[in-house]
Parts: sequence; C-alpha cells; structure tokens
Amino acid sequence: AQKITQTQPGMFVQEKEAVTLDCTYDTSDQSYGLFWYKQPSSGEMIFLIYQGSYDEQNATEGRYSLNFQKARKSANLVISASQLGDSAMYFCAMTMVAGRRALTFGSGTRLQVQP
Amino acid sequence: NAGVTQTPKFRVLKTGQSMTLLCAQDMNHEYMYWYRQDPGMGLRLIHYSVGEGTTAKGEVPDGYNVSRLKKQNFLLGLESAAPSQTSVYFCASSYSKPGTGGFSYEQYFGPGTRLTVT
Repeated sequence: AQKITQTQPGMFVQEKEAVTLDCTYDTSDQSYGLFWYKQPSSGEMIFLIYQGSYDEQNATEGRYSLNFQKARKSANLVISASQLGDSAMYFCAMTMVAGRRALTFGSGTRLQVQP
Repeated sequence: NAGVTQTPKFRVLKTGQSMTLLCAQDMNHEYMYWYRQDPGMGLRLIHYSVGEGTTAKGEVPDGYNVSRLKKQNFLLGLESAAPSQTSVYFCASSYSKPGTGGFSYEQYFGPGTRLTVT
C-alpha cells in the first residue's frame, strides 16, 4: 500500500516570493507517478504537475517545479513568484504504474499568499 | 469537449433515501474513478473502473454501488443514505500516454457533487 504525508497544514507566503510545499511518500513499488493538485475555494481539482519515478529530471510547469528526491522519497512542490491567485489547498498524490492507477492523496496544505 | 461532468452539483437527502450520481466523460478514457472528500482530508477512492462493464472496490466502498454500462458513464449509487456519507464526491477519468522515461497517468476531475445527508 502507498501513503502520502503532507506535514504542513497551513503555509503563508508573501506575494512574489517562492514557497516550498512538502510531500513525502511511501511505497514498495518501483514504478509510480507523483502529482500535485490545486484546489481553490471554488472546489475544483486542478492538475499542476507530474513526475514519474523513472524521470531523471525534475518536472517543471511554468512557475511550478517538483523537487523529486527519490532516495528520500520526497516530492516537494516549489511555486516561484507567488501570486494572490495561488491561495488554495494543495494536494500531493501518487499512483502506481500498474493496476488500477487510482490516486492516493495526502491531507493537503493550505497556502495563503499575502500582499 | 466538456471533459468530465457530474450531475447533480448539489443534493440534500434524508437518512435512508437513495440516489444516483452520474459521471460522464467525452474523452474516451478507459479508467474512471469515484472519490469522496471530507473536511480537512484528501480525496479517498470509493470505487473505480478499468473499462466498460468492469468495476472494483476502492478504500471506502461500504454503502455505495457503481455501474459502468457505457464507456463514457460511471454511476455511483447510494442505496440507503447515512449522515456519514455527507461529503463532496468527485469523479475522475484517466488514460495512459507515453512520457519521458515512462507513462503519465493524469486524472481529469469533474467539478464535484456536494451531498448532505440529514
């Protein structure tokens, strides 16, 4: 079974600064994928970034980057140049390559960007 | 493309009533999922389907049933609603595509259904 741990229930960041949201995972599988989703107050789940376990380079998508440290089983999300619109819940999730491919989610981190 | 749609968006049930939540996707995805999200928690898998005519249990299946008679639709049923089933329900679909060093399995989520059982 896999498990995702997000140890930061809430984070504050000043507008235009960078912020790192922590995520550690536990799995005995070798082939897996790691995701970050954003959930604004409106409630929808917005896909941000994906990292495969065999990807050698850290994933980047615009202002989002995933700091993947396989040996430490961590997949931290880095948001550069924070904007007020980044205020939301952020969920780390993982899936196995084989089988049902469902997502296992962490409990989330609420990010608040301050002007 | 509408993506993943869910109906209804909101519903209030009394204990013991039944209802069906409908999820539809127009992306020809093989995999479909039902999750529930309770306050302060991440999403948890209720049931899933890896193709038309197939369904399987997830982590929290008790009190729910599902059906996937058509590839594009995935129905979630509550036969006898209980207050513990008050939650936000998300449907998602996915596919596999070749990516650098492996496959990516991005899931596409519907907007959610907020269900309250009194």
